[in-house]
Amino acid sequence: GAVVSQHPSRVICKSGTSVKIECRSLDFQATTMFWYRQFPKQSLMLMATSNEGSKATYEQGVEKDKFLINHASLTLSTLTVTSAHPEDSSFYICSARARQGAQGYTFGSGTRLTVV
Amino acid sequence: KNEVEQSPQNLTAQEGEFITINCSYSVGISALHWLQQHPGGGIVSLFMLSSGKKKHGRLIATINIQEKHSSLHITASHPRDSAVYICAVTGTASKLTFGTGTRLQVTL
Repeated sequence: GAVVSQHPSRVICKSGTSVKIECRSLDFQATTMFWYRQFPKQSLMLMATSNEGSKATYEQGVEKDKFLINHASLTLSTLTVTSAHPEDSSFYICSARARQGAQGYTFGSGTRLTVV
Repeated sequence: KNEVEQSPQNLTAQEGEFITINCSYSVGISALHWLQQHPGGGIVSLFMLSSGKKKHGRLIATINIQEKHSSLHITASHPRDSAVYICAVTGTASKLTFGTGTRLQVTL
């Protein structure tokens, strides 16, 4: 079945630094990637949708300059949290859809970010 | 009111019990998804439904489009089924809208 590999699984960084999270589709081409954020015991919140080769579409309230998304190839999307602050500490998870119109989603394993 | 409502929020069951988790939605959908999130955070897609019923092992998912309601059943529950079960729907924009999840704990 389709697999999305997400790295790192855990990261601790200092305030003011940037952190990059990668999601790779291992055995399929992901035309669309979704990035979510999840606070403890809450539901997933969609941050942005990225399509390969084009700019990401950010949800209302998500700062595009703070959460940089790059989807430069059909197998790789990255989320960079720039100038991280403790309030950015959260669980970030990606999901991919294999092709336009496909309804099935495959999720990465998630990244737990702690900013100290 | 959330577009996707799940019940119960928390559920504790003994091993072997039959479990039902319910999901109601208030928007038009192209598909409904049942997801499983383990304590480590990873999410597995269990089912994608647009009508009727699907079965995979001990898991059964049903959907009633007219009533905008879906159920996830677990037969002969086991402690390894302990997880958060999330109902999500896909609308016309192809984005997932999530329910708040049902935290299931199956004890010996």
